[in-house]
Amino acid sequence: AQSVTQLDSHVSVSEGTPVLLRCNYSSSYSPSLFWYVQHPNKGLQLLLKYTSAATLVKGINGFEAEFKKSETSFHLTKPSAHMSDAAEYFCVVIPGGGGNKLTFGTGTQLKVEL
Amino acid sequence: SAVISQKPSRDICQRGTSLTIQCQVDSQVTMMFWYRQQPGQSLTLIATANQGSEATYESGFVIDKFPISRPNLTFSTLTVSNMSPEDSSIYLCSVDGQGPYNEQFFGPGTRLTVL
Repeated sequence: AQSVTQLDSHVSVSEGTPVLLRCNYSSSYSPSLFWYVQHPNKGLQLLLKYTSAATLVKGINGFEAEFKKSETSFHLTKPSAHMSDAAEYFCVVIPGGGGNKLTFGTGTQLKVEL
Repeated sequence: SAVISQKPSRDICQRGTSLTIQCQVDSQVTMMFWYRQQPGQSLTLIATANQGSEATYESGFVIDKFPISRPNLTFSTLTVSNMSPEDSSIYLCSVDGQGPYNEQFFGPGTRLTVL
């Protein structure tokens, strides 16, 4: 069985400060991992994906995520938050060993304050 | 990445009626997916739709309630039948990116409110 846990339902940061959104996964095999972002009244946009090529993954809009197998984590970071980063963020997993079904975390609402 | 459009973008419907949601992709894709996002919740997969075969439904979803069509490689419809207020959700379609890592690309969603 595979699942994904987002540890914080809400995160609030000040503009210009770092962002950390936490995600832990469980998978019997080497998984594919993704972060998606959903802005209000918009669809989901793929931020980045882990595909086993490199443990540090760079995505769009300055976001990064690091795959740590020993910690079964895939936390999303950004050095400096911008107001436009305010959105819902979903950590998503596909188990390795075949299959294409996405399993979504419960989401983290990021608030960016002036 | 594929460009995906959905119609309608939103609708308000009366209970007991049905609504058909359309999903159009700008390129041919093998697999299309339909998700439901209930208010304040994450996404739940309803079914997977392959062209030329019946859709595969996830546990808790049935064809009578959510019939799906997939007439060609660029189009699919999802019908929400005999609606009740509990069906009020955002319905999203997505497509398989067809890369080696199975990422999916999502449409903008259809926001459904059932009164």
